[in-house]
Amino acid sequence: EVQLVESGGGLVQPGGSLRLSCAASGFTFSNYWMHWVRQAPGKGLVWVSRINIAGSDTGYADSVKGRFTISRDNAKNTVYLQMNSLRPEDTAVYFCVRDGIVGLTVFDYWGQGTLVTVSS
Amino acid sequence: EIVMTQSPATLSVSPGERATLSCRASQSIDSNLAWYQQKPGQAPRLLIYGASTRATGIPARFSGSGSGTEFTLTISSLQSEDFAVYYCQHYNNWPVTFGGGTKVEIK
Repeated sequence: EVQLVESGGGLVQPGGSLRLSCAASGFTFSNYWMHWVRQAPGKGLVWVSRINIAGSDTGYADSVKGRFTISRDNAKNTVYLQMNSLRPEDTAVYFCVRDGIVGLTVFDYWGQGTLVTVSS
Repeated sequence: EIVMTQSPATLSVSPGERATLSCRASQSIDSNLAWYQQKPGQAPRLLIYGASTRATGIPARFSGSGSGTEFTLTISSLQSEDFAVYYCQHYNNWPVTFGGGTKVEIK
């Protein structure tokens, strides 16, 4: 069974940092691109970041570029999101997502999400 | 960035009735469109990709159609478990973007 389990969320002050982790199991992690998608309270879904299989190609939404860094450790079946210079508008549930259909950016498995709250 | 617009924002439907949800792209995305279902407190679930291909395990009452800029998700006979929010997402280029969602509620 495919499982994605996020951790690392919490309450942080504006300007602070957090590191999210996503532990994957039930599939060959090193064969899949991975993404982070976020959802502000009561709002819709927003793509945040992507990383390719080797970790050599990454991409970011303009709203987080220069502040967030995605990485992965294929030996540990884990993808990370380092979030720096956090702003109140970064408050959201962050979902770890598998890019599951070859050649398409389609999200076939989602974690349960971890809540990040940026507030003083 | 391609803007995805969903309508209506809320759709009130009786169980057993058909629901038709719309999604419009601000420019052509060919058939590079997916649909997701999200229930309260849960992660989204992939329903449709390629505009019309059902994902694994998705019931046949869910169908997708369209290409270019106009797309439709149809639920042929609403079941109680289908009341949820539905999002469309394009993957034609970067960044991928989602529509604002359509909430399907019980009439």
